[in-house]
Amino acid sequence: GENVEQHPSTLSVQEGDSAVIKCTYSDSASNYFPWYKQELGKGPQLIIDIRSNVGEKKDQRIAVTLNKTAKHFSLHITETQPEDSAVYFCALSGSARQLTFGSGTQLTVLP
Amino acid sequence: EPEVTQTPSHQVTQMGQEVILRCVPISNHLYFYWYRQILGQKVEFLVSFYNNEISEKSEIFDDQFSVERPDGSNFTLKIRSTKLEDSAMYFCASSFPLAGGSTDTQYFGPGTRLTVL
Repeated sequence: GENVEQHPSTLSVQEGDSAVIKCTYSDSASNYFPWYKQELGKGPQLIIDIRSNVGEKKDQRIAVTLNKTAKHFSLHITETQPEDSAVYFCALSGSARQLTFGSGTQLTVLP
Repeated sequence: EPEVTQTPSHQVTQMGQEVILRCVPISNHLYFYWYRQILGQKVEFLVSFYNNEISEKSEIFDDQFSVERPDGSNFTLKIRSTKLEDSAMYFCASSFPLAGGSTDTQYFGPGTRLTVL
């Protein structure tokens, strides 16, 4: 089955700095790569996603890059704010619709 | 903005009891899912449901679990005889299939915290 490794598990940045979270996967059939933000006590909230036919996608301060050859994709958050503090999960799917999630990154933005 | 809703937000039950977790997916969505998240761990897929039948299920989704769409709006997960290890957050999600067979975006509900004593 599909597997995805996520790093780092925790990340602290100063407000205004950038944060980068990386996920690697093994199944070359994976073709959909969403990122979810989870705040304490809430469900995962989709923040951005990318499909395998593009290499980069940007939405304001958030961007995702995909390298299909190397089988990794990354989340970039620029100009971080305290409200960006949360757990971020990468996920992927391929021929099946089910999402396989990474282990999560606890992002803390220090004021 | 439409959203997935779940009830109850917290369910406490005794080991061996049956529980039913309820979800109302986004109204025009056609695929429905259940995931679970044990405290501090990653989100894990349980089952997907389409056209009134299970389309995919994981190894976790054994005979103790069942899903149903009893009417046009609700989607339920039943655990027949709960075990201590069933304690987790259970998330419902739904999606609308995209044209061309591309993987559709899944939207998650706020979750039900199940505590088995």
